[in-house]
Amino acid sequence: EAQVTQNPRYLITVTGKKLTVTCSQNMNHEYMSWYRQDPGLGLRQIYYSMNVEVTDKGDVPEGYKVSRKEKRNFPLILESPSPNQTSLYFCASSLGAGVGYTFGSGTRLTVV
Amino acid sequence: DAKTTQPPSMDCAEGRAANLPCNHSTISGNEYVYWYRQIHSQGPQYIIHGLKNNETNEMASLIITEDRKSSTLILPHATLRDTAVYYCIVRVVTSYDKVIFGPGTSLSVIP
Repeated sequence: EAQVTQNPRYLITVTGKKLTVTCSQNMNHEYMSWYRQDPGLGLRQIYYSMNVEVTDKGDVPEGYKVSRKEKRNFPLILESPSPNQTSLYFCASSLGAGVGYTFGSGTRLTVV
Repeated sequence: DAKTTQPPSMDCAEGRAANLPCNHSTISGNEYVYWYRQIHSQGPQYIIHGLKNNETNEMASLIITEDRKSSTLILPHATLRDTAVYYCIVRVVTSYDKVIFGPGTSLSVIP
């Protein structure tokens, strides 16, 4: 089944403890992207990648890192999480410009 | 700021067509219009997209005005399962792929 898989689905962590949210797609998509969703603020793009080793900032990149070492994986790294990064995170992938994004099921992160 | 504006909420009777409008008056010539929907806190689901021409797929139809400044998503026979937040976005992929989601339209399908 074609899908975007995020792990974990739920995570509670403490301030300052580095964490990684993994994202993997099995559709050979070129484009991948990370979003966070907060009440009243909607979906905001964190980082995106248009190909292996090509990443760029979205609207809210502060406090996050990403890497794209292989086409299928696009992990989101929080080096020193803070409570304001408590959010619902979505990874998405797309074949190209004329194709819509396929979203993962989301990762609900709580930083205490 | 989002490049699209949508009404915050709409109701539709079950079995009737749901027509969701979107304004994108500053759209550029190479920007596509995309529609997604999100049910509760699930991942957004792609519905349809278009550049200039009207489009139809198994889920919906997309009507884009000739000047491309607005569009309408049509769900021909709304069911209770179509209750969701619907997002209209514009997207161009050149040397970048920035996407901005607005607050969307919360559609309630009423029995």
